[in-house]
Amino acid sequence: DAGITQSPRHKVTETGTPVTLRCHQTENHRYMYWYRQDPGHGLRLIHYSYGVKDTDKGEVSDGYSVSRSKTEDFLLTLESATSSQTSVYFCAISQKRVLADTQYFGPGTRLTVL
Amino acid sequence: DQQVKQNSPSLSVQEGRISILNCDYTNSMFDYFLWYKKYPAEGPTFLISISSIKDKNEDGRFTVFLNKSAKHLSLHIVPSQPGDSAVYFCAAKGGADGLTFGKGTHLIIQP
Repeated sequence: DAGITQSPRHKVTETGTPVTLRCHQTENHRYMYWYRQDPGHGLRLIHYSYGVKDTDKGEVSDGYSVSRSKTEDFLLTLESATSSQTSVYFCAISQKRVLADTQYFGPGTRLTVL
Repeated sequence: DQQVKQNSPSLSVQEGRISILNCDYTNSMFDYFLWYKKYPAEGPTFLISISSIKDKNEDGRFTVFLNKSAKHLSLHIVPSQPGDSAVYFCAAKGGADGLTFGKGTHLIIQP
């Protein structure tokens, strides 16, 4: 199994509060990603990082920000959580080779915004 | 608009028989395709992949077929085992760095 951990694994918070989710890897992979999974939507990309301090937006980035100050850590922040951000959040990592970009996923964080 | 479609939300197969999961895509820029398996309360686990330069890839009981002209791929599991019961996601990559996922198919293996 790829060495990916996510913390916290579960969180309940109230609307309007800031929330930060952490993804930590021990694989020294360059690329890291945040996805959310909702019923009827599969997984959707929020933000990704292609190196330390290098990040870009994904399909559903509104209301989220990310930071990557070290290779091993990728943080996802909800500045002011809303009920629509109740979801399961997955972090993924990859080495990104040409025609062989397999992403490996962490165990997920279940976030509930009341 | 959904670029990766898994039209069967669920599939029930008898233990020992073949399971065939299907996936269609619309974006001709996709050049790498993956299948993930997911159990409840766990992250997706990588199963098998195929690049657009191939039409078949095998790994043990799992085979993925790619038909580029039809923009269709399928995952075959032979023989199906009880531990194969899970949600299977088809994913595709091309251009942008993230993966585009289908909505998943819940595979149920009946004893």
